[in-house]
Amino acid sequence: QVQLVESGGGLVKPGGSLRLSCAASGFTFSDYYMSWIRQAPGKGLEWVSYISSSGSTIYYADSVKGRFTISRDNAKNSLYLQMNSLRAEDTAVYYCARDGYDFWSGLNLYYFDYWGQGTLVTVSS
Amino acid sequence: QSALTQPASVSGSPGQSITISCTGTSSDVGGYNYVSWYQQHPGKAPKLMIYEVSNRPSGVSNRFSGSKSGNTASLTISGLQAEDEADYYCSSYTSSSTLGVVFGGGTKLTVL
Repeated sequence: QVQLVESGGGLVKPGGSLRLSCAASGFTFSDYYMSWIRQAPGKGLEWVSYISSSGSTIYYADSVKGRFTISRDNAKNSLYLQMNSLRAEDTAVYYCARDGYDFWSGLNLYYFDYWGQGTLVTVSS
Repeated sequence: QSALTQPASVSGSPGQSITISCTGTSSDVGGYNYVSWYQQHPGKAPKLMIYEVSNRPSGVSNRFSGSKSGNTASLTISGLQAEDEADYYCSSYTSSSTLGVVFGGGTKLTVL
């Protein structure tokens, strides 16, 4: 069965850095686009970034562009999010998610069919 | 402020039907059939309920259905059950500067 397990969250000071990881299993990781999505405490969902199956195509939300870097290691079935220059407003549960994918066309379908359990990032002094 | 607009709350009695709207623009909901809906219970990860406007993933009850008209998408839940009480979020691809995904602010469904 598909499993996504995030790790790396914790408490960090404003301006600090953190690297999140997501370990994938139960599917052919290298076939799928992957995304990071976050949810601030008591708030709604916010898409953060996605990366194509090969890693050649990457997009970010304006709120994190220039500060966060998404990457993947298909040999290790792992997705990463390097977060730099962290701000209080980055405090959230961060989920990794598998994107829907059309195998015939090779197109990302921009929905998220499997989610991890999330990892909490708290930015505070 | 979310990119897609949803009502903050809706409610219904068991057995009734409710509809949650999700309003965007021609750059997202109105321009593409990449609208999806998610259910989230407290403390849990979101669960995909509808994708590509009206498709249901395997295992999701046929009481859940989706549609779209112009810049507004809708999620309808028929035969409301107590376990349907949750937060619901819509999302869509957007051709705005991010070329990514935008979510609605979420709707709290209360089953009376």
